[in-house]
Amino acid sequence: NAGVMQNPRHLVRRRGQEARLRCSPMKGHSHVYWYRQLPEEGLKFMVYLQKENIIDESGMPKERFSAEFPKEGPSILRIQQVVRGDSAAYFCASSPGHNEQFFGPGTRLTVL
Amino acid sequence: SQQGEEDPQALSIQEGENATMNCSYKTSINNLQWYRQNSGRGLVHLILIRSNEREKHSGRLRVTLDTSKKSSSLLITASRAADTASYFCATGPEWASGSRLTFGEGTQLTVNP
Repeated sequence: NAGVMQNPRHLVRRRGQEARLRCSPMKGHSHVYWYRQLPEEGLKFMVYLQKENIIDESGMPKERFSAEFPKEGPSILRIQQVVRGDSAAYFCASSPGHNEQFFGPGTRLTVL
Repeated sequence: SQQGEEDPQALSIQEGENATMNCSYKTSINNLQWYRQNSGRGLVHLILIRSNEREKHSGRLRVTLDTSKKSSSLLITASRAADTASYFCATGPEWASGSRLTFGEGTQLTVNP
């Protein structure tokens, strides 16, 4: 059973470009969470999704950020018009609906 | 302030010694989890303890939970150099299971060979 997969592992964007981060949950998991980690800090919750539904987006900035988890395919975290402050590691986690969350390896976004 | 706060921020010990890390939180929880993160890598789930449990063991790990003090501790016995990593506690809110986790800032553990 493959773990949570994220791609790309590293992403470099110039200011103003768009960043698309993908997350494929573990097989059988219908709950997906996105977290952001700034250097030397803990993870901060961004958004919680189930298939085709956003359950909790209270941690996600209202501007420029969006997330989806379609019926088919991976979950996507999209950041439009990136700024330097968006540089961080973005982690996706999946869960079968119980409390334990399994994390992917993360996408490290660098905004030049 | 953070929901989960680890203490100490950094810990350096010799191989073979025990390492104890503490975590405090503020609101009522459904569960508390500990994760390990090696430098530049993803998080590895170590152990989950539910709010109605007081102690849990997994290999060389022992976790305690005191809901009256809103605190938890992670003990790693007979540490190894490979245990060098950052350790985070994360809490799940009481009001919903399967919901978001709130992480602390982490304890950086260094185990010297």
